[in-house]
Amino acid sequence: QKEVEQNSGPLSVPEGAIASLNCTYSDRVSQSFFWYRQYSGKSPELIMSIYSNGDKEDGRFTAQLNKASQYVSLLIRDSQPSDSATYLCAVNMYQAGTALIFGKGTTLSVSS
Amino acid sequence: EPEVTQTPSHQVTQMGQEVILRCVPISNHLYFYWYRQILGQKVEFLVSFYNNEISEKSEIFDDQFSVERPDGSNFTLKIRSTKLEDSAMYFCASSEGERSSGANVLTFGAGSRLTVL
Repeated sequence: QKEVEQNSGPLSVPEGAIASLNCTYSDRVSQSFFWYRQYSGKSPELIMSIYSNGDKEDGRFTAQLNKASQYVSLLIRDSQPSDSATYLCAVNMYQAGTALIFGKGTTLSVSS
Repeated sequence: EPEVTQTPSHQVTQMGQEVILRCVPISNHLYFYWYRQILGQKVEFLVSFYNNEISEKSEIFDDQFSVERPDGSNFTLKIRSTKLEDSAMYFCASSEGERSSGANVLTFGAGSRLTVL
C-alpha cells in the first residue's frame, strides 16, 4: 500500500517565525521526495525536491530527509503571510513508476 | 517559462454524459499524467503515459476512463458516462523523465474543474 502521511493542520505561526511541516511515507525503497505548495483553487507548485539523506536549503526553505525513519520535513524560515497555503508532500514510490503519490497536505496560516 | 495548458477550465455536464479534458504538456517532456482532486481531499494519481501507452494506473482509473495522445501536442482524458462522484478538479502534469539525479519533477497545469449534475 502506497501511503504518504501528513498532519492536516491547520498550522498557525506568526509572521517571521519558523514553520515546520512533516511527512512520513510507507515505501522503504522510495528515492525521490518533493514539497509542493497549493493555494486554494490552484494547482500544485513545486517548492523543493530532495533525494539524499540530510538537509537541502533553497532560500527560506530547507528540506530534510531521513530515509531510515521514512521521514521528510520542510522548514520555512521568516514565514510571510504569502506563505499561507497547503503544503503537499509527494513521494516517488517504486510501485508507482514515475508517478508521485501525494499526502493530504498541511494547511499553513501565517498571521501578520 | 514553459507551462502545461489545460482546457476547459470548467465544465458542467449531466450525469451519464461523456467528457473529454484536454492538456498540452510542455513540449520537450516525455511523461504525461492525470491526477484528480475532489474538493477538500488529496491529489490522487490516476494514470501515467509514456511512449504512446499507459505506463502506470491507479485503482481509480477503471474502464470508465481512457487517455489518448491524438497528435504530437495534445493529451486527453475521456470520462465515459460520468457519475456525480466524478466531480473534481482534474490536473494534467508532465515531466522530462528522470534527471541525472534520478528524480522526475512533475509540472502541473492549472486544472479543469468538472461538475457533474
